[in-house]
Amino acid sequence: AQTVTQSQPEMSVQEAETVTLSCTYDTSESDYYLFWYKQPPSRQMILVIRQEAYKQQNATENRFSVNFQKAAKSFSLKISDSQLGDAAMYFCAYRSTFYNQGGKLIFGQGTELSVKP
Amino acid sequence: DGGITQSPKYLFRKEGQNVTLSCEQNLNHDAMYWYRQDPGQGLRLIYYSQIVNDFQKGDIAEGYSVSREKKESFPLTVTSAQKNPTAFYLCASTNRQAPRDYGYTFGSGTRLTVV
Repeated sequence: AQTVTQSQPEMSVQEAETVTLSCTYDTSESDYYLFWYKQPPSRQMILVIRQEAYKQQNATENRFSVNFQKAAKSFSLKISDSQLGDAAMYFCAYRSTFYNQGGKLIFGQGTELSVKP
Repeated sequence: DGGITQSPKYLFRKEGQNVTLSCEQNLNHDAMYWYRQDPGQGLRLIYYSQIVNDFQKGDIAEGYSVSREKKESFPLTVTSAQKNPTAFYLCASTNRQAPRDYGYTFGSGTRLTVV
């Protein structure tokens, strides 16, 4: 079974600085998706960024980028120029591409990010 | 606009009582999922359904039941057998028939508290 681990329960960053959130996963599959979701105090889940395992290029979305290390099974999220609105719980998630896996997302424990003005 | 509607937003359950959480989507998604969120444990999968009249247990199905009689609806019943039901419950959906990854839509959640 696949697992996702976020070893940093809480992180803090100064406004305008850069912060990196860590995520490791375990799988025997070679093709899969990895996601970072943001959950602000409203509790609404918001997709931040997505990575397809067969693509070697790291995904980037504006101030958000990932460092995808497939061999090391590591998927970290870098937030540049941090803003107060980035304060939230961040979840790393895995999804198999095999249809018989049901398309379910497997989540890590989450990292609570606070941004200091 | 299309989306997922979860109701109620807050729900209180007495000991020994069954309660049902509603999840309705108008996105024409075939797959729907129920997750439970507890502090420090992330989101854990309770049940999921890929087609009407079919569903599978997730990692923490004990004490819960679901039905999928319509494509749009995937209600979750928290039974009296669930000993610690106080949590935040999220419903999600996606189109499994789409090529590659289609993306997920999440509801706004239901906060269940035992009183």
